[in-house]
Amino acid sequence: KQEVTQIPAALSVPEGENLVLNCSFTDSAIYNLQWFRQDPGKGLTSLLLIQSSQREQTSGRLNASLDKSSGRSTLYIAASQPGDSATYLCAVVGVYNFNKFYFGSGTKLNVKP
Amino acid sequence: GAGVSQSPSNKVTEKGKDVELRCDPISGHTALYWYRQSLGQGLEFLIYFQGNSAPDKSGLPSDRFSAERTGGSVSTLTIQRTQQEDSAVYLCASSWVAGGPVADTQYFGPGTRLTVL
Repeated sequence: KQEVTQIPAALSVPEGENLVLNCSFTDSAIYNLQWFRQDPGKGLTSLLLIQSSQREQTSGRLNASLDKSSGRSTLYIAASQPGDSATYLCAVVGVYNFNKFYFGSGTKLNVKP
Repeated sequence: GAGVSQSPSNKVTEKGKDVELRCDPISGHTALYWYRQSLGQGLEFLIYFQGNSAPDKSGLPSDRFSAERTGGSVSTLTIQRTQQEDSAVYLCASSWVAGGPVADTQYFGPGTRLTVL
């Protein structure tokens, strides 16, 4: 069974810092990997999706990388802002069951003004 | 346009009672997912519907859990004889499957927070 782990569980940084969130998965036979943002009471919002054949994706101040062979992905946030405060979740879809998304438990980010 | 909606937003029930949670997906989305998020945990897959195909129920934790999707749109997750360990946020998501086997981006509802006393 695919296991997805996110480190750290929580992170607090001052505004303006660049930061990296980590996601690891145990089965490298994935179809894609997504990063989501979860705000309290508002569900999840997809940030970036990386196909297994890709190495990275960028959107604004966000950059996600994927190293499928080592089972790792990172989400890089540049010049962090208080509005970035949220829980960030990564999820993978395996090639054996396209219906199932396996989620990590998330990293709770607090950006202090 | 309207996003995924879920009702109720909060539900408090007594142990042993049945509950029904509702999800209204984005119009036109053929795929619908239910997840459970317990305190401090990641999302746990429960069930997946895609069009008229038989649902993937492999994530349902026990036979007390069931779900249906009527007319390919609204879905109801039913938990019978609720237990305290069922307390969690139940999230619904929908996607448009563009002809291939895999849905790309999922759009999530705000969730239903279930508390079993």
